[in-house]
Order: sequence, then C-alpha cells, then structure tokens
Amino acid sequence: AQSVTQLDSHVSVSEGTPVLLRCNYSSSYSPSLFWYVQHPNKGLQLLLKYTSAATLVKGINGFEAEFKKSETSFHLTKPSAHMSDAAEYFCVVTAGSGAGSYQLTFGKGTKLSVIP
Amino acid sequence: DADVTQTPRNRITKTGKRIMLECSQTKGHDRMYWYRQDPGLGLRLIYYSFDVKDINKGEISDGYSVSRQAQAKFSLSLESAIPNQTALYFCATSGGTGGNYGYTFGSGTRLTVV
Repeated sequence: AQSVTQLDSHVSVSEGTPVLLRCNYSSSYSPSLFWYVQHPNKGLQLLLKYTSAATLVKGINGFEAEFKKSETSFHLTKPSAHMSDAAEYFCVVTAGSGAGSYQLTFGKGTKLSVIP
Repeated sequence: DADVTQTPRNRITKTGKRIMLECSQTKGHDRMYWYRQDPGLGLRLIYYSFDVKDINKGEISDGYSVSRQAQAKFSLSLESAIPNQTALYFCATSGGTGGNYGYTFGSGTRLTVV
C-alpha cells in the first residue's frame, strides 16, 4: 500500500522569497516519487522525479526536492518564487521503481499563490 | 502531435446518457491509466491496463468501464452518466526502464454532466 500527504492545501509567498511545499509519503516498497505542476486550465507537467539515485533531485524551473527516507518526506523547494510559479502542485508516489512500478498515487495538491 | 491524445477536450452531457472518452498514445508503452481529478482531491485512479489483455480496477471504478482496443488505445465509458461524475479526466501511459521510467499524461477531458 502507498499514500501521500501534502501537508498544506494552500501556500502563499511573496515574489522573490523561498518556496517550500511539504510532502510525506508511505510505501511498503522502495518508492519512486514525483512532483507535478498544474497551471490553471492546463494539464500536468513533471517537475522532477526520484527513482533511488541521488537523494537531492533537481527539476525544471529552479525547483528541487530532497528524498529523506528517515523522515518519509519529499519536500519541494525553490530559492526564489516567480509569479509564473503560481499553480497547483502534486506530490506523487509509486511503489518500486523502473519496470516494476505500478499506478501512481497522488496527494490532494497544494495551491501556490505568489504575491507581487 | 501529442504523445497522449484525449478526445473530446470538453463535453457536456445529460444525466443517464452513455458517453465514451477516448485516449490514444504514440509512446509505444504497454501501460495505460485513467484518472479523474476533483478540486481538493488530487487525481484518483479509475482503471489501469498493463497490456491489451490485462485490465484492472482502480480506486474509484464504480460507474465506469474501459476497453483496451489496442496497445495504443484505451477508452473510458460512463454507461449512465450522473452529475457527480462531473470532473476532469486524464489518461496516462507509462513505460521505460530504470531511471528513464516515466509517465506521460494527456491534456485532459473536462466532462460536465447536467
């Protein structure tokens, strides 16, 4: 079994300040973890993924996430928020990695607002 | 052309009508999925298929059925649509090996049942 908890349903930051979106996971197997972003009225875009390689994962648009097994966390960060970062972000887990992976389990999402 | 194409993009239908949402992919992946998205709930899995002869129920399959017509095509049907099936529906595929394992999503179908 696997599950994802996004600890904040809504985060608001000022432009130019750091972003932290928190995610905790539970998995019976070694997990693969993803962050997806969805801009208003758009589809899903992959930001980054962890698949048992380096624990600090760098993604697109300056985002990164650190896999912490001891804390079962995979928080998403960005040093400086931009107005274009305003969107909904989903933390996602799947059991195993590579060809053994199964379906994705999504968190409920965190809406990020960026204040000018 | 998009790797995963969903049709229609938007649909309004009446309660009790049968409706089919279609998905086709050019990734050559064996695995395909249908998800629905509701505000505040994230995406939830409806059905998934590991190949043409292997179809499995997901978390919320009641009221839905699927057909895997070919490796590249996976359709979702609502036999008798009801208003609480109003949602954004996503099709996805997955494949690859090791660090290149990835998922590709379609652009979504927005379904409104009135």
